[in-house]
Amino acid sequence: NAGVTQTPKFQVLKTGQSMTLQCAQDMNHEYMSWYRQDPGMGLRLIHYSVGAGITDQGEVPNGYNVSRSTTEDFPLRLLSAAPSQTSVYFCASNRDRGTGELFFGEGSRLTVL
Amino acid sequence: AQSVTQLGSHVSVSEGALVLLRCNYSSSVPPYLFWYVQYPNQGLQLLLKYTTGATLVKGINGFEAEFKKSETSFHLTKPSAHMSDAAEYFCAVRAFGNEKLTFGTGTRLTIIP
Repeated sequence: NAGVTQTPKFQVLKTGQSMTLQCAQDMNHEYMSWYRQDPGMGLRLIHYSVGAGITDQGEVPNGYNVSRSTTEDFPLRLLSAAPSQTSVYFCASNRDRGTGELFFGEGSRLTVL
Repeated sequence: AQSVTQLGSHVSVSEGALVLLRCNYSSSVPPYLFWYVQYPNQGLQLLLKYTTGATLVKGINGFEAEFKKSETSFHLTKPSAHMSDAAEYFCAVRAFGNEKLTFGTGTRLTIIP
């Protein structure tokens, strides 16, 4: 079972560059989300989606864009990278919105110089 | 509004000793509560969850947690620590009717041989 797959695992960007972090899940989950993890701050929700064509903002959405054209894919776009976006990014999906049990990818480590 | 406070960013215990990781939550409506574990360079995985019913919840790897409404707590325990328990642990809360899961800042558990 592949579960939640994130690519790339590592990326280095220069300030102002744009890029897309890919996330795909093969569990037919309706709910998907993106988090960033920073030391001492836990995980913070960036954007989430409750189904294809529906997205909403989380706690820290500025500088990020998402779309959900299919149930399987939920890419995260950095429009103009800034050093403050240096972080580890996790994509997660949820089988049951009611209970909130998330399945996580292995993470994407992004460094912005 | 919902929030989680984890007391102690680092906890060290000897192998074979009791593990106690503290979590207090704030929620204006009945909460769903979770503990996740993150091993180095991996995503998070669910340890256990409380939704409704029995307040003592058993999870994987011998961990358990007790929901105490009067104390707004959901502390994680394990009677006897094992070296393989070394990881970072996150408490999370989701208020009933809320789509979002809010994480605490995490507690890094170190096991002393």
